[in-house]
Amino acid sequence: AQSVTQLGSHVSVSEGALVLLRCNYSSSVPPYLFWYVQYPNQGLQLLLKYTSAATLVKGINGFEAEFKKSETSFHLTKPSAHMSDAAEYFCAVKGTYKYIFGTGTRLKVLA
Amino acid sequence: DAGVIQSPRHEVTEMGQEVTLRCKPISGHDYLFWYRQTMMRGLELLIYFNNNVPIDDSGMPEDRFSAKMPNASFSTLKIQPSEPRDSAVYFCASSSGGLGEVGDTEAFFGQGTRLTVV
Repeated sequence: AQSVTQLGSHVSVSEGALVLLRCNYSSSVPPYLFWYVQYPNQGLQLLLKYTSAATLVKGINGFEAEFKKSETSFHLTKPSAHMSDAAEYFCAVKGTYKYIFGTGTRLKVLA
Repeated sequence: DAGVIQSPRHEVTEMGQEVTLRCKPISGHDYLFWYRQTMMRGLELLIYFNNNVPIDDSGMPEDRFSAKMPNASFSTLKIQPSEPRDSAVYFCASSSGGLGEVGDTEAFFGQGTRLTVV
């Protein structure tokens, strides 16, 4: 069975600092992995996805994630945080056509 | 395409009443998902459909919950009778099957319905 674990339910960074949100996965098959972002009172919006092509995946808004099979990780990064990045971020793995989400990480950006 | 459309956006109802949430998936998508989001439990998959047929309803919390998909462009999630603990945001999402063993496509989410049962 597939699952994901997000480390840290809340992360705070200063504006301009590196953003690192952690996600580890468990999958019995080569995984398809996703990062979504949720702004207040909104639905989930896809940031990026890994589908076994390049291990470094670039997404929208300057975010990227690296698939590391040896570490079973798919951490999300952004070199320089912006105030508009404040939101909740979800990692997800796809299993038998359904999406299994982590518990989310709320990112706070400090001025 | 306008994306996944859910209605209503907000619903306030009294305990014991029937509640019906509605979803229109993206045209051409053959998978439809209903999720529930709460602070305590996060995002829970309630049920999903493939080509209008329910495939996995193991996440439906109890018999008070039911979901239907009468055609490719419409689905409902019904709660009867509703209880205060059903208060949550309910999301509908859709996707196409994609390639590979489990499908390499992403899910597209609606804006959600915020349900409050008083």
